[in-house]
Amino acid sequence: DGGITQSPKYLFRKEGQNVTLSCEQNLNHDAMYWYRQDPGQGLRLIYYSQIVNDFQKGDIAEGYSVSREKKESFPLTVTSAQKNPTAFYLCASTASGRRKQFFGPGTRLTVL
Amino acid sequence: KQEVTQIPAALSVPEGENLVLNCSFTDSAIYNLQWFRQDPGKGLTSLLLIQSSQREQTSGRLNASLDKSSGRSTLYIAASQPGDSATYLCAVNPSGSRLTFGEGTQLTVNP
Repeated sequence: DGGITQSPKYLFRKEGQNVTLSCEQNLNHDAMYWYRQDPGQGLRLIYYSQIVNDFQKGDIAEGYSVSREKKESFPLTVTSAQKNPTAFYLCASTASGRRKQFFGPGTRLTVL
Repeated sequence: KQEVTQIPAALSVPEGENLVLNCSFTDSAIYNLQWFRQDPGKGLTSLLLIQSSQREQTSGRLNASLDKSSGRSTLYIAASQPGDSATYLCAVNPSGSRLTFGEGTQLTVNP
């Protein structure tokens, strides 16, 4: 089955730790995205990548980092510099800007 | 900067009612607009995508319209069912590369 997988589903982080969220897609999509969702709010764009080995900052990139070494993978690292990382993180991909975005099931990150 | 607003923030209706969800955006120069559904604690499911050159799209009981000049889109749900209960999100694509989301409308359909 084609789709987007995110792991883990739940993640707990201690203060000062870096954590990495996984996002993998087998849809052969060129573009991939990371969003953050806070309770009762819409999605805010963290980073996006339109092609392998290239990525751009979104609206709230501070405290996050990404890499795009393979077409199917776009991991997100939440660094200790991110002041309030507790949120629901969603990964998405699309074949092109004219096509629908498809989303993974999300990772819920909680800082202890 | 593009801003997207969805009204109402929450809506509760009895089963069987037809309903309309509203989405407005500040910059009419968009590439396309997409409506999504989100169930609690889950990812988003794409419902309808309207390109900037289109006026509406239909899928089953759902119909989405787009009026670029006035910066508005509506999602019409016919004969609502309890299974339609979810949060509905509108997103505009200003440049062909990224989406800007509204905060969503939380819909409850009561049996």
